[in-house]
Amino acid sequence: QKEVEQDPGPLSVPEGAIVSLNCTYSNSAFQYFMWYRQYSRKGPELLMYTYSSGNKEDGRFTAQVDKSSKYISLFIRDSQPSDSATYLCAMMTEYGNKLVFGAGTILRVKS
Amino acid sequence: ETGVTQTPRHLVMGMTNKKSLKCEQHLGHNAMYWYKQSAKKPLELMFVYNFKEQTENNSVPSRFSPECPNSSHLFLHLHTLQPEDSALYLCASSQHLPGQGYNEQFFGPGTRLTVL
Repeated sequence: QKEVEQDPGPLSVPEGAIVSLNCTYSNSAFQYFMWYRQYSRKGPELLMYTYSSGNKEDGRFTAQVDKSSKYISLFIRDSQPSDSATYLCAMMTEYGNKLVFGAGTILRVKS
Repeated sequence: ETGVTQTPRHLVMGMTNKKSLKCEQHLGHNAMYWYKQSAKKPLELMFVYNFKEQTENNSVPSRFSPECPNSSHLFLHLHTLQPEDSALYLCASSQHLPGQGYNEQFFGPGTRLTVL
């Protein structure tokens, strides 16, 4: 079993839709949860990070962590064509020495 | 554009060639990383450097040889690669090493490597 599972997609939605991206994980020691966005021909850039359980909101983006289910989500409201990218989840233990990434979900927002 | 640059952006090499990838960070960070990104696979951490000292080698084959002459520059020397080594190679930097609580890693744009 992979430490972090992420559906690779692609996920195709119309402009204005609410997008839900998800990852599941197996290591209950993970405490830091990150979402990176990677545009074509670019490196990943940090979108949001959350410590432990709970929700975090930043503009149109909301990150949720449910540690009891070992499940994290990223919601994008009012999706735009400019949101089309690959979204990577990543996790780390409290004093871990490396980030563990999901394989990434390709998102396409059609205008 | 991030403060991490990588050159070249694209590289095609034969299996007998020797080439090097270069990474430079302008953020004043102390830690630098090499990752391999293959299609539909998670990013794989290859090497970690802290203040020029290698702190992590993730069982990477010896045909990949990292070099970190100072805290701003990182190289990945390549020789006798295999076609399965074709991938996007990403460099990243962070203020501190992992293991010291959360600190954001900033990625460069990557070098797209094709091994023929």
